[in-house]
Amino acid sequence: DADVTQTPRNRITKTGKRIMLECSQTKGHDRMYWYRQDPGLGLRLIYYSFDVKDINKGEISDGYSVSRQAQAKFSLSLESAIPNQTALYFCATSDTERVAYNEQFFGPGTRLTVL
Amino acid sequence: SQKIEQNSEALNIQEGKTATLTCNYTNYSPAYLQWYRQDPGRGPVFLLLIRENEKEKRKERLKVTFDTTLKQSLFHITASQPADSATYLCALLYNFNKFYFGSGTKLNVKP
Repeated sequence: DADVTQTPRNRITKTGKRIMLECSQTKGHDRMYWYRQDPGLGLRLIYYSFDVKDINKGEISDGYSVSRQAQAKFSLSLESAIPNQTALYFCATSDTERVAYNEQFFGPGTRLTVL
Repeated sequence: SQKIEQNSEALNIQEGKTATLTCNYTNYSPAYLQWYRQDPGRGPVFLLLIRENEKEKRKERLKVTFDTTLKQSLFHITASQPADSATYLCALLYNFNKFYFGSGTKLNVKP
């Protein structure tokens, strides 16, 4: 089974709809991240969380919100989706115990299309 | 904000040759620089990390260099194989909580 899972894998929605993307991990890591990937722009950090009570904005948080329901779950919400939020979204985890390496483990991604 | 440049054009090389990918950045040097591999339809996979006080790091056929004066990292794959074909991303880490990724360079290794 995959260590980092994302649901849904694909989603098509309309402008103005509320969307939630979910991420779960079985790695036991305390740190979790949400990124979006656009062609030619690379991965950009939206939000990150170092534990259940810790939520931080990343580079591009406007239009997004997150919830860390448990150490293993981190959800990303688009309250009112707009077409320029069409992108590939990745969840990632890392382990504070290995902060000197800080490698991140990525989920398979969610392809979101906003019409 | 930090700007990271990776060659957007694909790198095409022959099997057995050494592939060299470049990552250039502006502004401050990061505490750590990482390289990831991304295959189509999948999330990135961590390959190597190099610290700002390290010049070179090796792992099997992979080698990474880090020149803070030039603000550049080079990523080498020796004896390349078709299975090495993928997109390679560099990532800069500041203060363990700020991550900046490049857009990646696609490598095609032809048999």
